[in-house]
Amino acid sequence: QKEVEQNSGPLSVPEGAIASLNCTYSDRGSQSFFWYRQYSGKSPELIMFIYSNGDKEDGRFTAQLNKASQYVSLLIRDSQPSDSATYLCAVNNFGNEKLTFGTGTRLTIIP
Amino acid sequence: SAVISQKPSRDICQRGTSLTIQCQVDSQVTMMFWYRQQPGQSLTLIATANQGSEATYESGFVIDKFPISRPNLTFSTLTVSNMSPEDSSIYLCSVTGAGGELFFGEGSRLTVL
Repeated sequence: QKEVEQNSGPLSVPEGAIASLNCTYSDRGSQSFFWYRQYSGKSPELIMFIYSNGDKEDGRFTAQLNKASQYVSLLIRDSQPSDSATYLCAVNNFGNEKLTFGTGTRLTIIP
Repeated sequence: SAVISQKPSRDICQRGTSLTIQCQVDSQVTMMFWYRQQPGQSLTLIATANQGSEATYESGFVIDKFPISRPNLTFSTLTVSNMSPEDSSIYLCSVTGAGGELFFGEGSRLTVL
């Protein structure tokens, strides 16, 4: 069983719509959750992190965490073509600086 | 966030040779992490490089294949030894931020013929 799972996609979303990206994890001891965006040929860049159950908003991005269900998601409102990228979910445990990454979801925003 | 510089940014190498990738950080950090991203795949941690001690390798990675140096708190190297086409990947150096997030260098894209 993979530790961090994501739908590989591709996920196609019309411009202006909400893109919803999902991630599940297997380790109940996981404490910190991160979303990265990776453009083709580039290294991953951090979008958001979340530690507590509930929602966390930053501009057009909202991260949602449900530790009971071992589920974390990323919503992108008003999707733009520049949001087209692969989105990686990453998880770590308290006191452990190593991140475990999911396989990533490729998102395409259709103009 | 830290500024992380890697070189080379890309290289094409022959089978059986070795390549050393350098990683320079603009601030002192305790741990540096080396990840590999194979084509179309996610990131896999190779090892954690600690200053003043031997690197800690993840399952499936060994020091003979991926020797790492960490001579000071701002610099590390990763060598990919006796390369085969299966080693064609992007190699990423990373450091941890205050919130546990990772920041990555630009990556070193390696192609082995």
